[in-house]
Amino acid sequence: AQRVTQPEKLLSVFKGAPVELKCNYSYSGSPELFWYVQYSRQRLQLLLRHISRESIKGFTADLNKGETSFHLKKPFAQEEDSAMYYCALEASGTYKYIFGTGTRLKVLA
Amino acid sequence: NAGVTQTPKFRILKIGQSMTLQCAQDMNHNYMYWYRQDPGMGLKLIYYSVGAGITDKGEVPNGYNVSRSTTEDFPLRLELAAPSQTSVYFCASSPGGAEDEQFFGPGTRLTVL
Repeated sequence: AQRVTQPEKLLSVFKGAPVELKCNYSYSGSPELFWYVQYSRQRLQLLLRHISRESIKGFTADLNKGETSFHLKKPFAQEEDSAMYYCALEASGTYKYIFGTGTRLKVLA
Repeated sequence: NAGVTQTPKFRILKIGQSMTLQCAQDMNHNYMYWYRQDPGMGLKLIYYSVGAGITDKGEVPNGYNVSRSTTEDFPLRLELAAPSQTSVYFCASSPGGAEDEQFFGPGTRLTVL
């Protein structure tokens, strides 16, 4: 079965510390993977997608097919990074997304 | 552009009542989606549509119905509300489906008592 697992419900780090939000997936084919973010009082929005290989707001994510992971990383956390982060998988060609349960990131001053 | 709009923002229903959650987008997107999010859980897909007149079930369709008569609108109908349908409902749209960014509405918080 297709599944996205985010093992941490809450991750607290100090400002300037590195951040890694974990995402593991279960899918037999070639997945399309995304990170979505929801800042306080804002809508859920796309942060980055693996196919673009981009860095957004200092965040990067690498697809590791061997470990079936798509962890989100940032070398130096900022207070404005505090938000809910969701990892999502789109099973290729199905138009259906599967979301993880989310990780709340708190960046402490 | 307003993007994706949802009405109402909040609603309390009694068991057995019916209601329609409205969703509209002004971006001319072909694909539209309805999700529900229960406390502490991820978003679960209820129904989706790949174009006007075409809808399909997602992961948790029971108790819901949808229609897509226009590109812009994708209403979600609850026929006989049950406490298990207490949730936050999100509508989303995307231009091309696979690999495309989904644009989300602000959500509707529904409580069934």
